[in-house]
Amino acid sequence: GAVVSQHPSRVICKSGTSVKIECRSLDFQATTMFWYRQFPKQSLMLMATSNEGSKATYEQGVEKDKFLINHASLTLSTLTVTSAHPEDSSFYICSARVPADPYNEQFFGPGTRLTVL
Amino acid sequence: GNSVTQMEGPVTLSEEAFLTINCTYTATGYPSLFWYVQYPGEGLQLLLKATKADDKGSNKGFEATYRKETTSFHLEKGSVQVSDSAVYFCALDNFNKFYFGSGTKLNVKP
Repeated sequence: GAVVSQHPSRVICKSGTSVKIECRSLDFQATTMFWYRQFPKQSLMLMATSNEGSKATYEQGVEKDKFLINHASLTLSTLTVTSAHPEDSSFYICSARVPADPYNEQFFGPGTRLTVL
Repeated sequence: GNSVTQMEGPVTLSEEAFLTINCTYTATGYPSLFWYVQYPGEGLQLLLKATKADDKGSNKGFEATYRKETTSFHLEKGSVQVSDSAVYFCALDNFNKFYFGSGTKLNVKP
């Protein structure tokens, strides 16, 4: 099956700093990737849809200037949490679709746990 | 709108017990339905899926049937194992957007 990786798996940063999370499709090209946020013991919340070569589409309530998304190539999307604060601490998960998959299945990365001190 | 409702957990079972995790949905149109599993500290893994009414998804002994009349996609397994302990998410895909339920934690005791 299709494999999606994320880096780093864990990151701890100080309040006010920026953190970049990478999402890569390892064995396929993904024109569309998705970023989710998962709070403890809760479900995944879609933050944004990342489209290669164009601007990301953000869900309602998600700050574009705080969560910067760049989908610079067909195998890489990055999420940058700018000026991070403790309330940004969460588990961030990306996913990608295999192009032309009739079932629109999403393949998920292993997630990145962000802790902001 | 689109939403998924799952039974609240945690669900605690003894090994070899029968498992049911209820999932109902609301959606416009004809969504695809999925069950994902999340092991501690890991991302989500697809467990099974169904793309149209009356389809049955199955994998690793788990099954779920897409019931349009009851808007349900309940997950079942005849005999659970300790290794099945995880959080299970029901999800729907409608117009290329995924909507997840809140997840149900399953604890299986030896």
